[in-house]
Amino acid sequence: DTEVTQTPKHLVMGMTNKKSLKCEQHMGHRAMYWYKQKAKKPPELMFVYSYEKLSINESVPSRFSPECPNSSLLNLHLHALQPEDSALYLCASSRSRENTGELFFGEGSRLTVL
Amino acid sequence: KQEVTQIPAALSVPEGENLVLNCSFTDSAIYNLQWFRQDPGKGLTSLLLIQSSQREQTSGRLNASLDKSSGRSTLYIAASQPGDSATYLCAVRSGGGADGLTFGKGTHLIIQP
Repeated sequence: DTEVTQTPKHLVMGMTNKKSLKCEQHMGHRAMYWYKQKAKKPPELMFVYSYEKLSINESVPSRFSPECPNSSLLNLHLHALQPEDSALYLCASSRSRENTGELFFGEGSRLTVL
Repeated sequence: KQEVTQIPAALSVPEGENLVLNCSFTDSAIYNLQWFRQDPGKGLTSLLLIQSSQREQTSGRLNASLDKSSGRSTLYIAASQPGDSATYLCAVRSGGGADGLTFGKGTHLIIQP
């Protein structure tokens, strides 16, 4: 099983809402990532978790709050977002952050901020 | 800072042709290089992973090569099919097994039936 599952697939929210994106993998991977992808652009790294600890935050605004409750789950909590935050949010995992292994991506959550 | 460039940005060819997509990177101290496929509005599907010590990897009709010293990789697609139409992304993991991947902007490929 090389699957990374993301929910919801689509999310529409207002600027005052609080919502969360969820990501799950059951490959025993210990590194998990959030990427943001705008239309016709490559993915950009947001956060890296290694062994359930946040190891990289690429200067992401605090209105995005990641959480890794256990080794299989990764959440991205959203609060007071701006319309320019509308994008495809991709979750990925790899065996470990230090490993030479592959990154496996989910199908993404399409976020629209009104 | 690592930069990844993909050429061409877009490519349209008739079905059945063999084709080559190019990827170059500025810092040769990479850990590995990964080729992905992305269909419109979808996530990324991993196609091939080449470790820094390897020269090439093959999967079915796909062959990826790596020349680390010159900072180049190519993805060769044999006998192209309409189902190969997608955006192909090249991404490098920089030396030290660092942090995520640095992506190129992709090649948008259309295979004409």
